[in-house]
Order: sequence, then structure tokens, then C-alpha cells
Amino acid sequence: NAGVTQTPKFQVLKTGQSMTLQCAQDMNHNSMYWYRQDPGMGLRLIYYSASEGTTDKGEVPNGYNVSRLNKREFSLRLESAAPSQTSVYFCASSAGTKETQYFGPGTRLLVL
Amino acid sequence: GDSVTQMEGPVTLSEEAFLTINCTYTATGYPSLFWYVQYPGEGLQLLLKATKADDKGSNKGFEATYRKETTSFHLEKGSVQVSDSAVYFCALLRSNTGKLIFGQGTTLQVKP
Repeated sequence: NAGVTQTPKFQVLKTGQSMTLQCAQDMNHNSMYWYRQDPGMGLRLIYYSASEGTTDKGEVPNGYNVSRLNKREFSLRLESAAPSQTSVYFCASSAGTKETQYFGPGTRLLVL
Repeated sequence: GDSVTQMEGPVTLSEEAFLTINCTYTATGYPSLFWYVQYPGEGLQLLLKATKADDKGSNKGFEATYRKETTSFHLEKGSVQVSDSAVYFCALLRSNTGKLIFGQGTTLQVKP
């Protein structure tokens, strides 16, 4: 039981490049989330998926897109990376939107 | 809107000292409250939670009590260890939307 896994662990991009961050959970959870963590700002919600087949914007969705591929997987895509998207990205999952969220190990992204 | 405020860090303590990290919240309705811990280079781990007023969450010697009258959820530990050095995040879960709102985090450094 690996919990929530994320790939890659670390990535360097040039401005304008695109990439997809992958997230998978093996806890049979219905809800999944993407957060970014910036120094002194805690974690901020980018997008979430309350259940398979649905996605909704969070607090800071601009510049990102998401896909809930199936119940297990939820990906985050940066179409044209910007230096302001340099951050640590965390995926989380929960049984339902009112339940405890469990986090993955994070992806550290540097945009030059 | 809903928000969480934590005491600013860093907090530096000697081993076996008493720890308090203050957390206050603003929210409509009756949110659940959480403490997450992030060890260096790792993701967030759930430390403890409380789902209603006067509940006490506890884990690994840490405790926090949900105080609705003072809108607080302060984290305490009677005797800290070097291994407790980490960043601690207080968070609330909105009961209506299921969105997790984080404080900015408090860094704890415990010296031998």
C-alpha cells in the first residue's frame, strides 16, 4: 500500500515548455487534489476532483489544467511554464470531500 | 472568507522543552481542524485532527483541543525531541465545500 505517489520528484523547465505532473493513489479514494507550496504561504489549492469524471478550480488555477484519468490517477499539466510556477507541487486524496486528505511526497519544479 | 492564522516561526527549543504552536481560525459553519507535519524534504503527514468542538486530537505525544469559543486549535507537546524538528501546518476543512485551508506553517527547530 503505497498511498499517494507522484512523479517526477524533481523537474527543471525552461520558460514556455510544457509538462505533466502525475499522481496516483491506491486507497480507493474518490476525491483528489493538487496544491502548490510556496515559502511563507502554506499550501494553496490549484484544482480538485470530487469524484471520477469531475474537476473544479481551486484558489490558484490560472496556468494549469487537470485530468482525472480514472479513479486512481489525477494529472496536472502546465501548458506554457512560467517562472512564477516555480514551486513544490503536492497531490492529495481523500475518501470524500469532507474526509481527511492524505498527501504525496511532492514534485519540486524549477522554471528558468 | 475562511482562514487560518499560525504563530510565526521559527520556533527554537531545547530538547525536552514544552511546545506550544498557536493556531486560530475564522470560518462559517463547523469545520474540522487538522495539524499536518512536514519533515525536511518530505510531503505532509497528518499529525492529528478534531472534528467538533471540545474534541481533543492526539498522536505521538502531541495534542490539540478544538476550542470553538476562542476559535483556536493550539498544538502542544510536553517534551520535544530533536526528531520533532519540522514544519507544522494548521488547517481547516470547510464542511460545505470540502476545501482544506492551510495556515502559513511554523518551523520548529529542536536543539540537543
